[in-house]
Amino acid sequence: DTGVSQDPRHKITKRGQNVTFRCDPISEHNRLYWYRQTLGQGPEFLTYFQNEAQLEKSRLLSDRFSAERPKGSFSTLEIQRTEQGDSAMYLCASSQNLNNEQFFGPGTRLTVL
Amino acid sequence: AQSVAQPEDQVNVAEGNPLTVKCTYSVSGNPYLFWYVQYPNRGLQFLLKYITGDNLVKGSYGFEAEFNKSQTSFHLKKPSALVSDSALYFCAVRGLGGGNKLTFGTGTQLKVEL
Repeated sequence: DTGVSQDPRHKITKRGQNVTFRCDPISEHNRLYWYRQTLGQGPEFLTYFQNEAQLEKSRLLSDRFSAERPKGSFSTLEIQRTEQGDSAMYLCASSQNLNNEQFFGPGTRLTVL
Repeated sequence: AQSVAQPEDQVNVAEGNPLTVKCTYSVSGNPYLFWYVQYPNRGLQFLLKYITGDNLVKGSYGFEAEFNKSQTSFHLKKPSALVSDSALYFCAVRGLGGGNKLTFGTGTQLKVEL
């Protein structure tokens, strides 16, 4: 499968714990995006990488959220001190250049108890 | 700021009939418009896009969309609906000054019945 992959697919955690998600984009894509989707809503942009550089961050991305793409390939999204409001589907997408469509992974569903 | 409106939460259509899922947008400059489909427990799948050129864009699975600049709309259409088209459809836009992000609508649930 040469699509975007995400791991884990599901994560249940207790409030206050830290969680980390991984995204592997399509191999030739240098642009990588993170979105968050809650029930009944469309995806909301969180952050964007071009190669290893994080070029854009949403105001939705509080100080508890951090994302990295250390070698310009896979990316991680970490949430520290999780809150119940963090419960959502976290989607990763990649694209080859700015005007191309973004290809989405299956998402990581986070449940914070 | 860029935004997308999908005025219908749900659209019901009989199999074999034409379908339309509505989308209007607001952006600075020329819009880049996209339609995605989401099946249960799966990620978003790209259907089609408008960047420039012909106002009628053809995409995957027989879907097409018409860009109307004066009405700031990008409605998704299909001449003959299938039960398997039943899914959640999202319209998205990227415009000048919107950075690299896509802004999505709230989605329209399409239900195709026999």
